[in-house]
Parts: sequence; structure tokens; C-alpha cells
Amino acid sequence: DAGVTQSPTHLIKTRGQQVTLRCSPKSGHDTVSWYQQALGQGPQFIFQYYEEEERQRGNFPDRFSGHQFPNYSSELNVNALLLGDSALYLCASSLGLVQETQYFGPGTRLLVL
Amino acid sequence: GNSVTQMEGPVTLSEEAFLTINCTYTATGYPSLFWYVQYPGEGLQLLLKATKADDKGSNKGFEATYRKETTSFHLEKGSVQVSDSAVYFCALSLSITQGGSEKLVFGKGTKLTVNP
Repeated sequence: DAGVTQSPTHLIKTRGQQVTLRCSPKSGHDTVSWYQQALGQGPQFIFQYYEEEERQRGNFPDRFSGHQFPNYSSELNVNALLLGDSALYLCASSLGLVQETQYFGPGTRLLVL
Repeated sequence: GNSVTQMEGPVTLSEEAFLTINCTYTATGYPSLFWYVQYPGEGLQLLLKATKADDKGSNKGFEATYRKETTSFHLEKGSVQVSDSAVYFCALSLSITQGGSEKLVFGKGTKLTVNP
């Protein structure tokens, strides 16, 4: 049973560029949440996708956008990258409409120069 | 607002010492409470959880009890090992009424180092 997978594992970009991060949920899960974890901090909720729609959003600007595909996988897109976007981006999957624990992937470490 | 406050680290202990990491929360309603652990260079792993008041979550020798009266969920372990060295995050979950699972709100994390 595959757990949550994310790609790539590491990424280096320059200011102003755009980046796409990918996540495949745990088998049987239909809900994907994205979190940003700055160095030395706890993860911060970005948004959540369920039934291919954004269901809830944290306090992040519109530069952060996402998508969920029919197979439940998801992408996180960040436009016009800033130095402050450097962080570990975590994807978590769960089963929607059920009180269920979120399972996290290993994360994508993004460095913006 | 909804928030989680953890004791500041880092915490350094000798092997077989007793561990307590304090966690208190502020939330509307009655959230579920979690402890996650993050080993160096890895993502988060669920350690334990409790979904209602007076519930005790336990796993791998770690325990935490959901205390509504003190809005706390302190993590304890009777005898730590070197392999327990990691960053520990306390979190609460808030139901998303539009469908989907719960959004997690995390504390800042407490780094634990256990020396042999």
C-alpha cells in the first residue's frame, strides 16, 4: 500500500519564476491538503482539495494555486516566487467526509534564490 | 482564533529519562488533538491522537491525555531512547463544513535530543 508521494524532492528556483509541485495521495484517499513549513516553524495550511475543488484556504496570496485531478492527485503552483517562499512543502491526504487522520508525504524542499 | 502553543525547545535529555512536552490550545468548539513527529530530513508522521475530552492517545510508549478543563494535551514518555530524537509538533483539527477532512493547526514544534 503506497503512502503519500511527492515530487520533486528538492527544487531550486530564482525570484520571479513559477514552480509546480506534485502529490499523489495514499491509496483510497480522496482529499489532499497542502502545507508550507518554513525553517524552524510548524506547518501552515495553504489549501485543501476535495472532489477536484478547493474547499478551504489558509492565509496565502493568490500566487499560490492548486489543482486536483480525477485520480485524486494534486498540484501546487506558486507564481512570481519570492525569497520568502523558500520552505518545505508538505502534502497530506485523507478520506473526505469522514473524521480521518491526515497522512503526510516526505515533502518538497523549495529554495528560492 | 484557533491556535496551539508548545513549550519552547530545544529539549535535551539523557537516555531513559522522563519526557514531558507541554501543549495548550485555543479553539472554538471541541477539536481533535494530535502529536506528530518529524525526523531529520523527513515529513511528518502521526504519533498519537485524541478526539474528545479525557481520551488518552498512546503509541510507542508515548502518551497524551485530552484535558478540556485546562485546554492541554501534554506529551509524555517514561523512558526516552536515542532514536526518539526528533521534532515534535502538537496540532488541532478543525472541521471543514463544506466537505473534506479536517484542517490542521500546528504549534511551532519542540526539538528533542536524547543523548546516550
